[in-house]
Amino acid sequence: AQSVTQLGSHVSVSEGALVLLRCNYSSSVPPYLFWYVQYPNQGLQLLLKYTSAATLVKGINGFEAEFKKSETSFHLTKPSAHMSDAAEYFCAVSVGSNTGKLIFGQGTTLQVKP
Amino acid sequence: NAGVTQTPKFQVLKTGQSMTLQCAQDMNHEYMSWYRQDPGMGLRLIHYSVGAGITDQGEVPNGYNVSRSTTEDFPLRLLSAAPSQTSVYFCASRTVASANTEAFFGQGTRLTVV
Repeated sequence: AQSVTQLGSHVSVSEGALVLLRCNYSSSVPPYLFWYVQYPNQGLQLLLKYTSAATLVKGINGFEAEFKKSETSFHLTKPSAHMSDAAEYFCAVSVGSNTGKLIFGQGTTLQVKP
Repeated sequence: NAGVTQTPKFQVLKTGQSMTLQCAQDMNHEYMSWYRQDPGMGLRLIHYSVGAGITDQGEVPNGYNVSRSTTEDFPLRLLSAAPSQTSVYFCASRTVASANTEAFFGQGTRLTVV
């Protein structure tokens, strides 16, 4: 069964520092992976997605993620954190080829300190 | 383009009361789903549907009912609310044309059961 695990429920960085949010997946088939962001009191919106066309995926707001099959990872990074990046981030995996189901990780809250 | 619309945004129920959370999408998506979000648990899938007349259970279906009579609407019913159902509920829709398509989320319903 496909699943994702996010390491670290809470990450705190200083403004301008590197952001690294970890996601590992479990899948017997090539996975379709996503990162979503949730700002306070809002719904989720897509940051980026892995589609097998390229292992390094660029998303919105300067975020990117690298798919590493050998490590079964899809970690999210941003070179320089902004205060506006403070939010909850979710990694997700698509289940099956045409079921529509998405399974989410536990989420990581990013705190950005001035 | 409204996307996914959820109503109400907030609701307080007494234990044992029933209610329906509404969800509508205007993107002609085949797949619709309900998640609940609890601290430290991420988003957990309650029920989902791959088209009108077709529904299935997710990870945490107990205490919830759904039906899908049209492509656009996917209401979630709580027949007898319990304090354990206090949570934030999100509806999402997605096309099943490919496993790498984006899911679109509503703004959420914050439910408190007292």
